[in-house]
Amino acid sequence: DVKVTQSSRYLVKRTGEKVFLECVQDMDHENMFWYRQDPGLGLRLIYFSYDVKMKEKGDIPEGYSVSREKKERFSLILESASTNQTSMYLCASTPWGGGNTIYFGEGSWLTVV
Amino acid sequence: GENVEQHPSTLSVQEGDSAVIKCTYSDSASNYFPWYKQELGKRPQLIIDIRSNVGEKKDQRIAVTLNKTAKHFSLHITETQPEDSAVYFCAARNTLGRGSTLGRLYFGRGTQLTVWP
Repeated sequence: DVKVTQSSRYLVKRTGEKVFLECVQDMDHENMFWYRQDPGLGLRLIYFSYDVKMKEKGDIPEGYSVSREKKERFSLILESASTNQTSMYLCASTPWGGGNTIYFGEGSWLTVV
Repeated sequence: GENVEQHPSTLSVQEGDSAVIKCTYSDSASNYFPWYKQELGKRPQLIIDIRSNVGEKKDQRIAVTLNKTAKHFSLHITETQPEDSAVYFCAARNTLGRGSTLGRLYFGRGTQLTVWP
């Protein structure tokens, strides 16, 4: 069974702090994604990666960066957290090409105060 | 890029009634259309999907229809039950895309379905 694990379920951070959200998948998937979920706005793509050290901006990359040093791990970084980044963050992965199912992590609830 | 629109944003039905959620997409190259259900506090889960070479697919009380010409697809839930209450997302993807866009799903904004007992 595919597992996508987000290391932190609930975080509270102060404005200006650097925040790391970690995601690990155990199925050797090439594609990994970070989404932000807000009520009424659905799932908005922040960044995605289709290979180690490769990254592509999604629809709302401002204020975020990512790191993919190993195939199984995709990290989302908030260099200087702001209150408007309070949200639920979902990591996901899919295999390259033929896989049609996207596997989501449990989500990380981030509150910036 | 692709643009997926979903309606309605909220839907309330009585237990036993049917519920219909509609989505439109803009990119005629999209050929895969999944639907996800997200219960409160949980991750989205795939409930049904359809490919562009099929017009309708059914799985027990859930069905999805696709009109490629009009670029819209719909989720139909019959005999709704309180446990169907959740947020439902439609999505679209081009599985034949190349390069970095391959694998990306474009999501609608979601529909909050409430089924009253």
